[in-house]
Amino acid sequence: EPEVTQTPSHQVTQMGQEVILRCVPISNHLYFYWYRQILGQKVEFLVSFYNNEISEKSEIFDDQFSVERPDGSNFTLKIRSTKLEDSAMYFCASTKTRDSYEKLFFGSGTQLSVL
Amino acid sequence: AQSVTQLGSHVSVSEGALVLLRCNYSSSVPPYLFWYVQYPNQGLQLLLKYTSAATLVKGINGFEAEFKKSETSFHLTKPSAHMSDAAEYFCAVRTSGNTPLVFGKGTRLSVIA
Repeated sequence: EPEVTQTPSHQVTQMGQEVILRCVPISNHLYFYWYRQILGQKVEFLVSFYNNEISEKSEIFDDQFSVERPDGSNFTLKIRSTKLEDSAMYFCASTKTRDSYEKLFFGSGTQLSVL
Repeated sequence: AQSVTQLGSHVSVSEGALVLLRCNYSSSVPPYLFWYVQYPNQGLQLLLKYTSAATLVKGINGFEAEFKKSETSFHLTKPSAHMSDAAEYFCAVRTSGNTPLVFGKGTRLSVIA
């Protein structure tokens, strides 16, 4: 089965630094998502992206966050100035359509540790 | 807004025993419901989904779930646990349109030999 690829698997950074989390969605998918899971808490929606623009974003996705599809294959999440509370597992996902019954294909996640 | 509640953050069963992982949903419109599983160091993988075609849904690896509207539940079951079932299980809900998939907190399943 095709896979969503995320790199790196683990990122350690100092508070205040910028980080970029990278994802390669499945090649014929058109809708892309970022989710995160803080240890012991729910998997939370951050943002959805289609046609080179944000479709929807949650309250968590403030001005410190941005997403980009810089080329035809990568989908990135940037955190401009990391905070301790940004430490979490970040999951990228993609789907072919926006149908609500469509399953999301998830990557294996990037564990972000902010020190 | 839709939400799901998973009862029990950790469930432990003996190998060969019944697995029951509970999920209750809240939605003002008919929901689409999903169970995802995460094995160690892997991504979230779809186990099964309910899309209103049938209330009893069969998924991969012998798992199934039953949609009960009267109880607003979508519990996941497997008749006989295997060691390889040890993982984190997430219930999720989505409604019509491009609404985000909303997850529960997850239940960690341990299988004891």
